[in-house]
Amino acid sequence: AQKITQTQPGMFVQEKEAVTLDCTYDTSDQSYGLFWYKQPSSGEMIFLIYQGSYDEQNATEGRYSLNFQKARKSANLVISASQLGDSAMYFCAMREGLFFNGGSQGNLIFGKGTKLSVKP
Amino acid sequence: GAGVSQTPSNKVTEKGKYVELRCDPISGHTALYWYRQSLGQGPEFLIYFQGTGAADDSGLPNDRFFAVRPEGSVSTLKIQRTERGDSAVYLCASSLLGTGGEAFFGQGTRLTVV
Repeated sequence: AQKITQTQPGMFVQEKEAVTLDCTYDTSDQSYGLFWYKQPSSGEMIFLIYQGSYDEQNATEGRYSLNFQKARKSANLVISASQLGDSAMYFCAMREGLFFNGGSQGNLIFGKGTKLSVKP
Repeated sequence: GAGVSQTPSNKVTEKGKYVELRCDPISGHTALYWYRQSLGQGPEFLIYFQGTGAADDSGLPNDRFFAVRPEGSVSTLKIQRTERGDSAVYLCASSLLGTGGEAFFGQGTRLTVV
């Protein structure tokens, strides 16, 4: 079974509007972390935002927020006020087996990604 | 440099040849990861080092793939008897032990086996 599922291969959004990129995950661990990365055409993976399974508040980083619904095992990324530079591939990832303090030693498991295109 | 550095950025090799890909992590980062990314896919885990030792090599596809990190910093991914199916972008990442786990990635090495 897929550990990370991103059901949207491609998304379009108008500049300055908000967009939600979907991510669902599958784990039996109680402690895990969820990540979103951006990969522009240059190829580098850029960290955007992190949510720990024990965090009660949804994570926010500037224009990025993570809509964490633990019971539904979803971790959707919301980008507000889209910019042309947001056009890129976006990957959701999970690390299982976090320590309670957030420390971790495991590898990241990635989804297949969503290609976001921002229209002017 | 401040970030993760990977060399070469591009490598073209003939089928059957041996290649080495190098990763220089962020100074002080004890954890180092290798991933492989095929076209249109997410990164696929290969191997994870904690210090000098491989903590998890379960992602290595077969015994043609091997990686070392002899002094706990620079790592080399080695591929023997390359096959066309090995063509992909090989990504390296590093992170601090004991943090929430944000991993910093390099630009990757694009390997093409012809």
